[in-house]
Amino acid sequence: DGGITQSPKYLFRKEGQNVTLSCEQNLNHDAMYWYRQDPGQGLRLIYYSQIVNDFQKGDIAEGYSVSREKKESFPLTVTSAQKNPTAFYLCASSTLRGTSGSRETQYFGPGTRLLVL
Amino acid sequence: EDKVVQSPLSLVVHEGDTVTLNCSYEVTNFRSLLWYKQEKKAPTFLFMLTSSGIEKKSGRLSSILDKKELFSILNITATQTGDSAIYLCAVLSGTYKYIFGTGTRLKVLA
Repeated sequence: DGGITQSPKYLFRKEGQNVTLSCEQNLNHDAMYWYRQDPGQGLRLIYYSQIVNDFQKGDIAEGYSVSREKKESFPLTVTSAQKNPTAFYLCASSTLRGTSGSRETQYFGPGTRLLVL
Repeated sequence: EDKVVQSPLSLVVHEGDTVTLNCSYEVTNFRSLLWYKQEKKAPTFLFMLTSSGIEKKSGRLSSILDKKELFSILNITATQTGDSAIYLCAVLSGTYKYIFGTGTRLKVLA
């Protein structure tokens, strides 16, 4: 059963704490993404990765870090430098190969809601 | 700066009504436009459009793209309460960068 999983579903962060959100996919997709969703603001790109051991900053990367040590995994760390981390975080993936259509469709995980205590 | 604008921001209709959601864009290196439905968690894929004037259909939903005027519409006919959701429009710029609009929140009343 192929798909994208994210954990945890809910995450609570204390002041000054770093927290890590997990994202795993078994779709054999090359590219993976992290988005942040705030009410009324749509999805904003935090980081993306096209291949293992390579990733690029998106529009709002400050206060976040990522790694891509395996094709299947793209964890996101919300650092203490991110002053307003409360949001819904979505991980997504897409393939860079295949026919047009399959190549361009992006699939999403179920999301992690991060709250600050 | 690349941008995708959706309208209206929110919409309330009654079951059986037909709705039209709009998405306009200004994006360099346009590759495709995608529509998603988000019902509380992960957005689910609806349509991908790359060519002007070709309507994509799936049941009561349909969508069309106008690359000259830089917009797309998503139509839902005979709406049902299960259509209540946020509808997201995204444009793929180049090979990897997706630019999302803010979404249209649709509520269908019984």
